[in-house]
Amino acid sequence: KNEVEQSPQNLTAQEGEFITINCSYSVGISALHWLQQHPGGGIVSLFMLSSGKKKHGRLIATINIQEKHSSLHITASHPRDSAVYICAVSSQGGSEKLVFGKGTKLTVNP
Amino acid sequence: DGGITQSPKYLFRKEGQNVTLSCEQNLNHDAMYWYRQDPGQGLRLIYYSQIVNDFQKGDIAEGYSVSREKKESFPLTVTSAQKNPTAFYLCASSTLTGVPEAFFGQGTRLTVV
Repeated sequence: KNEVEQSPQNLTAQEGEFITINCSYSVGISALHWLQQHPGGGIVSLFMLSSGKKKHGRLIATINIQEKHSSLHITASHPRDSAVYICAVSSQGGSEKLVFGKGTKLTVNP
Repeated sequence: DGGITQSPKYLFRKEGQNVTLSCEQNLNHDAMYWYRQDPGQGLRLIYYSQIVNDFQKGDIAEGYSVSREKKESFPLTVTSAQKNPTAFYLCASSTLTGVPEAFFGQGTRLTVV
């Protein structure tokens, strides 16, 4: 079993829909990251969370440390949001090594 | 502005040649990492370094080598011993103390022909 599991693997939505991507992890973490990868391959860091909730524009990320679960929400989705969204956790223990989920491919149709 | 820079973005090499991917950061981060991504798979750790002149193997280190002569730089060499070198390579850096912080490069897509 992977240490970081994301769901769904693929997600297709219509423009304007509310999107939720989920991430569950099984290890102790110091932080959780949400990343965005566009078709060209470049990765952009969206959020880094260690507790609670963060918001940036139409993006909201939440984390529940007790349940070892995080969600990424996109409100009023737009075709330009189409990308792969990756959850990654920094493991505890001092090395801060990142463990990545396999990603969720989001396609938003106009 | 502080950040992490990978170069080049795209790289083509002939089979059997060694190739070195560059990663530079000006964030004063102690730790740096190299990851590999294959289609349909999550990013996997190749090597990481927490201090200058020291580095550790990750999950898939075979066929790769690294150096950490300066805090800012962590180049990755893909050697001819790597059986399937064509992949997307991502460099990252992070703090080890205080508030956790991690930054990611834009990645290098290596194609071996």
